[in-house]
Amino acid sequence: DTAVSQTPKYLVTQMGNDKSIKCEQNLGHDTMYWYKQDSKKFLKIMFSYNNKELIINETVPNRFSPKSPDKAHLNLHINSLELGDSAVYFCASSQEARGGEQYFGPGTRLTVT
Amino acid sequence: AQSVTQPDIHITVSEGASLELRCNYSYGATPYLFWYVQSPGQGLQLLLKYFSGDTLVQGIKGFEAEFKRSQSSFNLRKPSVHWSDAAEYFCAVGDTTYGGATNKLIFGTGTLLAVQP
Repeated sequence: DTAVSQTPKYLVTQMGNDKSIKCEQNLGHDTMYWYKQDSKKFLKIMFSYNNKELIINETVPNRFSPKSPDKAHLNLHINSLELGDSAVYFCASSQEARGGEQYFGPGTRLTVT
Repeated sequence: AQSVTQPDIHITVSEGASLELRCNYSYGATPYLFWYVQSPGQGLQLLLKYFSGDTLVQGIKGFEAEFKRSQSSFNLRKPSVHWSDAAEYFCAVGDTTYGGATNKLIFGTGTLLAVQP
């Protein structure tokens, strides 16, 4: 049983395209997150949802739009992809919002050419 | 602002030797601290966490970490390293400034551990 899953694992696309990454967790958690890991392995939060409500939007360009259809899913849609969007995107979830440990998905490696 | 510093970008140890990875944090309140490990091409796996109480915490795979408030440190240790421990290690602090509704992790830049046979 995969706790936090993401699809696709790899995504190669051209500049200007629109793409989506899907995330699902089967842990029953209320809070989900998107993180971006750049080429230097630096991890930074992008968004956080709690019970389908957006809580954190960490100065991410509005080309990035998260959507949470239900508590178990948090998808990331990216419009007009740019070269700088190339990174690994991780989804995560936690049971307790305050201080709870986060469980990460396997990541989606996005390459924009 | 909250921050996490991992001073060592890259560390090489011999198999069977002891290991200590350094982590310093800057946080105004009592921190929630975590260590994660990332194997090549994989996601992040939680090794251990500190919320409160005993300052020496035990984690998976034989790792432990000690919280030292006076030094703002949360160093990760393992008495005997195995070749399978080669990976990237990330220290993180939980930022709860959103009123408890959610919690973002602020990560250090990571330490890449290589293990020599």
